[in-house]
Amino acid sequence: AQSVAQPEDQVNVAEGNPLTVKCTYSVSGNPYLFWYVQYPNRGLQFLLKYITGDNLVKGSYGFEAEFNKSQTSFHLKKPSALVSDSALYFCAVRDGSGNTGKLIFGQGTTLQVKP
Amino acid sequence: DADVTQTPRNRITKTGKRIMLECSQTKGHDRMYWYRQDPGLGLRLIYYSFDVKDINKGEISDGYSVSRQAQAKFSLSLESAIPNQTALYFCATSDGGTGGEKLFFGSGTQLSVL
Repeated sequence: AQSVAQPEDQVNVAEGNPLTVKCTYSVSGNPYLFWYVQYPNRGLQFLLKYITGDNLVKGSYGFEAEFNKSQTSFHLKKPSALVSDSALYFCAVRDGSGNTGKLIFGQGTTLQVKP
Repeated sequence: DADVTQTPRNRITKTGKRIMLECSQTKGHDRMYWYRQDPGLGLRLIYYSFDVKDINKGEISDGYSVSRQAQAKFSLSLESAIPNQTALYFCATSDGGTGGEKLFFGSGTQLSVL
């Protein structure tokens, strides 16, 4: 069965510092991996995805994520955090071997960037 | 105008009542989904539909039903609401194209069952 784990409920960083939000996954086939962001009182917005190819994926708002097959991880990163990055971040996975189209989401990590 | 519209934005109801949450989209996507969000649990899939004649149960379909009235409309019903169905509900769409599922979400419906 597919699963996603985000081990940190909250990540706190100072503005201008690098940030990492962690995600590990479990799928039976090749993974399709995603990051979504949720701002207060809004629906989720797509940030980036990994399907195949280069392990470092670049997305919206300066975010990037690194796919590590051996560690089954897909951590979200940004070199320099902004206060406006403060939000709830979700990692998601689907099994690329089928076409179920179902994403499984992690429990979410709150990112707090302080001035 | 929003591409994925959910109504109502907020709803308070009583235990045992039947309620319907509605979702409409202007993106022209075939695939539509209903998720619920609970603090600390993330999003869980309730039902999904790949086209008007295709309805599938998700992880937590018990107590819910859906109707795909048209390509653009997908409604979620709670036949007899109970307090543990209090949650934030999201509708989402995707085109199911190559490269995986990029979902587009509505703004959500906050449901409270008293």
